[in-house]
Amino acid sequence: GQQLNQSPQSMFIQEGEDVSMNCTSSSIFNTWLWYKQDPGEGPVLLIALYKAGELTSNGRLTAQFGITRKDSFLNISASIPSDVGIYFCAGGSNFGNEKLTFGTGTRLTIIP
Amino acid sequence: NAGVTQTPKFRVLKTGQSMTLLCAQDMNHEYMYWYRQDPGMGLRLIHYSVGEGTTAKGEVPDGYNVSRLKKQNFLLGLESAAPSQTSVYFCASSYPLTGRDEQFFGPGTRLTVL
Repeated sequence: GQQLNQSPQSMFIQEGEDVSMNCTSSSIFNTWLWYKQDPGEGPVLLIALYKAGELTSNGRLTAQFGITRKDSFLNISASIPSDVGIYFCAGGSNFGNEKLTFGTGTRLTIIP
Repeated sequence: NAGVTQTPKFRVLKTGQSMTLLCAQDMNHEYMYWYRQDPGMGLRLIHYSVGEGTTAKGEVPDGYNVSRLKKQNFLLGLESAAPSQTSVYFCASSYPLTGRDEQFFGPGTRLTVL
């Protein structure tokens, strides 16, 4: 099955740095979702995007729905230790197609 | 609301044994899903259900069966476990009648097949 291309696969940053990651697809999506997964836990929804070009923030997190509908971006400003985890993107059709397509994840590590 | 809950949290099976994983949600969601997560593979859909009494195959259905007898519960069965089924299993639910695709996940079940 199709999976989204997510990059980078992993990031090693220092506390306080800003983070950028992206997700690309060969197919068009009408919905882009961003999830975070802490070790030993299930993914938790961070941001949902439903309109091309949309820019949405959730605290220090900002996500954008690419204008081509084939990509999305997530930025984290001023990273803190609790930002550590795996970030997943997911694309959906929002047309009654009940399935999401997930990216392979970006693992974020904060170096002391 | 408890959201999506899964039992058990951990399980070790021997090859050939059977077991059932239980997922429950209290959000009155129509759709429910079972995924498996393996290192470097992301989330892969096993089976899903769009309503009580209905089920459908996902991307990797072989070796698994499911049932949705009640709207709030979605069961995943392994009839004869194999080492290749060692994985972390996640259940999720969604309410697409609102026009939104967001899925909400349970905490996962870590299964090891020896």
